[in-house]
Amino acid sequence: DSGVTQTPKHLITATGQRVTLRCSPRSGDLSVYWYQQSLDQGLQFLIQYYNGEERAKGNILERFSAQQFPDLHSELNLSSLELGDSALYFCASSPRSPLSPTDTQYFGPGTRLTVL
Amino acid sequence: AQKITQTQPGMFVQEKEAVTLDCTYDTSDPSYGLFWYKQPSSGEMIFLIYQGSYDQQNATEGRYSLNFQKARKSANLVISASQLGDSAMYFCAMRGYFGTGTSLTVIP
Repeated sequence: DSGVTQTPKHLITATGQRVTLRCSPRSGDLSVYWYQQSLDQGLQFLIQYYNGEERAKGNILERFSAQQFPDLHSELNLSSLELGDSALYFCASSPRSPLSPTDTQYFGPGTRLTVL
Repeated sequence: AQKITQTQPGMFVQEKEAVTLDCTYDTSDPSYGLFWYKQPSSGEMIFLIYQGSYDQQNATEGRYSLNFQKARKSANLVISASQLGDSAMYFCAMRGYFGTGTSLTVIP
């Protein structure tokens, strides 16, 4: 158990809908990262937050957004869902400054999203 | 930008034997860290081992060790005394960039 929690574990929804994925980082960790893992794209970095502020953006679609709250939990919002958004979404957390290249990321169990 | 390359889509190893999973990287950062993660069929991503670019020695963590060759920009994961539970996908990563992974199957 990494100490990172994600809810829900599974989510099934329809095209065009909107969903929210939730992540609680390890105790004391200030950075939260979101990743998407699909069969054709592999593991892709989406976005990073540090202590409530966005710090880095990866391959995140405009239909997707995220935020980190004062209690450091984070939510990833996915809207206007398409079939291709079906994937495993991971949240990870790390303790130190996002500028540190040596910061280990600890992953949550993931949320498996299925868009029908 | 960083780039991670894992050229072995699948590997097989006999139980109790050692296996090396390859990883090469490209970065212009003077200081960086390389990470290996294991993803079993259940889906979770498990951190295995870390190597810092300025570390004088190769990292070791139990049966896992890193063969770090900075000049060659490679950071290969060595798993000694393979066990059936080692069957999984293995990912090399740097700064949030992940390779495509290597699927390891341990044969009894």
